[in-house]
Amino acid sequence: QQPVQSPQAVILREGEDAVINCSSSKALYSVHWYRQKHGEAPVFLMILLKGGEQKGHEKISASFNEKKQQSSLYLTASQLSYSGTYFCGTVDYGGSQGNLIFGKGTKLSVKP
Amino acid sequence: DAGVTQSPTHLIKTRGQQVTLRCSPKSGHDTVSWYQQALGQGPQFIFQYYEEEERQRGNFPDRFSGHQFPNYSSELNVNALLLGDSALYLCASSLGGPGPGYEQYFGPGTRLTVT
Repeated sequence: QQPVQSPQAVILREGEDAVINCSSSKALYSVHWYRQKHGEAPVFLMILLKGGEQKGHEKISASFNEKKQQSSLYLTASQLSYSGTYFCGTVDYGGSQGNLIFGKGTKLSVKP
Repeated sequence: DAGVTQSPTHLIKTRGQQVTLRCSPKSGHDTVSWYQQALGQGPQFIFQYYEEEERQRGNFPDRFSGHQFPNYSSELNVNALLLGDSALYLCASSLGGPGPGYEQYFGPGTRLTVT
């Protein structure tokens, strides 16, 4: 079951904040966040695991509500480099282990 | 530290032909997953290879097959190409086989166009 992302698109001014949401109808093992710029590969941002563990490589924060099967990505004091499409990928109890199911993406545009 | 590499970058094939795409994982990684990404969509999981075996498979027909070599590199083969196979094919590598908590690193992709 594909996770649902919201909003579909958002436009920010530099320095503004944004929240991107990812919601699943299934109980989740983990949520993975990626950013993809036009014509480039998706870049790993963060993993949030059942039980509270998080692994990430950038100064971006996220939350994972296991009971609600939801995750949110928080982009604060946005920079021009934050522009791109953000995807959440989920691993659920019903699917095979490690099989990421991606949402349709949220397009973020940061303007000067 | 070498990242994930894929070849070729672009490919144009005719309907009915066969194609092979190649992927070399990030240094130190032993697991390779393949994804198909249609324009404006998220990547869709095709299959995953670990220890030279297909470990998991998404909802793709048998026309899609793959292989992993002892050096962990991988190939994706698609037979009897259809127009609908036109997409960006992404390879992602990780360490340690199937699992919900492993970080996957993506390559730049191969853009396949079927005419």
